[in-house]
Amino acid sequence: AQSVTQPDIHITVSEGASLELRCNYSYGATPYLFWYVQSPGQGLQLLLKYFSGDTLVQGIKGFEAEFKRSQSSFNLRKPSVHWSDAAEYFCAVGVRERGSQGNLIFGKGTKLSVKP
Amino acid sequence: KAGVTQTPRYLIKTRGQQVTLSCSPISGHRSVSWYQQTPGQGLQFLFEYFSETQRNKGNFPGRFSGRQFSNSRSEMNVSTLELGDSALYLCASSLSGDYGYTFGSGTRLTVV
Repeated sequence: AQSVTQPDIHITVSEGASLELRCNYSYGATPYLFWYVQSPGQGLQLLLKYFSGDTLVQGIKGFEAEFKRSQSSFNLRKPSVHWSDAAEYFCAVGVRERGSQGNLIFGKGTKLSVKP
Repeated sequence: KAGVTQTPRYLIKTRGQQVTLSCSPISGHRSVSWYQQTPGQGLQFLFEYFSETQRNKGNFPGRFSGRQFSNSRSEMNVSTLELGDSALYLCASSLSGDYGYTFGSGTRLTVV
């Protein structure tokens, strides 16, 4: 069965430090992978997505992610974290079935706190 | 352009009642998906509509239903509300269901 695992529930980093959020997926075919961010009381904003091609994907707000098929991973990185990056981050895999592409399976999320 | 609009933002209902939530997609977007977000279960897919047809449905009981109108606006309905239905309900729209999703800010439903 398809699934997404985010092993870290909560991470705290200092402002200016680098960040890596982990994501592992289970999916039979070539996955469509996504990272979303959610600020308190808000909806989800797409940071980046991977469909195919270059395994290093650049996103908005200075984020990037690397797809590693051998490790079934799609980790999110940022070289220098800003206080405004404090939010919850969700990794997701897109399930393609019956002609529909509307089903995203999300991980449980990683809450990021930023220390001044 | 305007984003995905969900109304109302907050809702309090009593067990046993029913509720209807509304989602207005981005203009031109024909696919609308609904998700439920709870602290325990996280984000779970409810259903997806495209051109007024339900294309996909998640693993939720029949109390959860939805529809899409000719202008792509969508509603979801939950009947016989239970305490466990308390959640943030998120709507997302895209041009054709090709994962170019834009999410709304959600409707926070509290069942008491």
